[in-house]
Amino acid sequence: ETGVTQSPTHLIKTRGQQVTLRCSSQSGHNTVSWYQQALGQGPQFIFQYYREEENGRGNFPPRFSGLQFPNYSSELNVNALELDDSALYLCASSPASGTSGRDEQFFGPGTRLTVL
Amino acid sequence: DQQVKQNSPSLSVQEGRISILNCDYTNSMFDYFLWYKKYPAEGPTFLISISSIKDKNEDGRFTVFLNKSAKHLSLHIVPSQPGDSAVYFCAASKAAGNKLTFGGGTRVLVKP
Repeated sequence: ETGVTQSPTHLIKTRGQQVTLRCSSQSGHNTVSWYQQALGQGPQFIFQYYREEENGRGNFPPRFSGLQFPNYSSELNVNALELDDSALYLCASSPASGTSGRDEQFFGPGTRLTVL
Repeated sequence: DQQVKQNSPSLSVQEGRISILNCDYTNSMFDYFLWYKKYPAEGPTFLISISSIKDKNEDGRFTVFLNKSAKHLSLHIVPSQPGDSAVYFCAASKAAGNKLTFGGGTRVLVKP
């Protein structure tokens, strides 16, 4: 069983640029959630995708957007990068709620984004 | 507005003893609670969960207790092992599979 994978591992961008982060969900999982973890804090929910549709969004501006593909992999796009966007971005996948009896989310290793 | 709080940023415990991690929440709509462990350069790893219809769930060395009236949960690790040294996050959701709201984490150091 392949776990959640994310790419790239690290990324350095400058303020104002755009970035795309990628995530492959665990086999059999059709729900993907994205989280931002700033240094010294817990992860914060950005949004969730279920069967290619956005299924909930946290308190993040519209310049944070996402996609989910038919194979359930996902992208997180951030436009007009700001210094405060520097963080670890985590992707988590889960089976559709109620289908397996286990509802925990399984996390990838994250992408460390640095904005200069 | 921090809906999930872990008031102890760090905890040091001797190998073989009990580690007790605490977590408080404010949103009474939360009905599913989880604990994750995180090593540096890795994503959080699921440890144990509990739904609001239970007050205790046990899995090996890990036990989670839920006190709904106090809006408090705790994680007990017995016995603690050096490999348990990590950052532990509690998380809550309003429905299983829904978005997770995390606490700020507690760094645990288990001394040999």
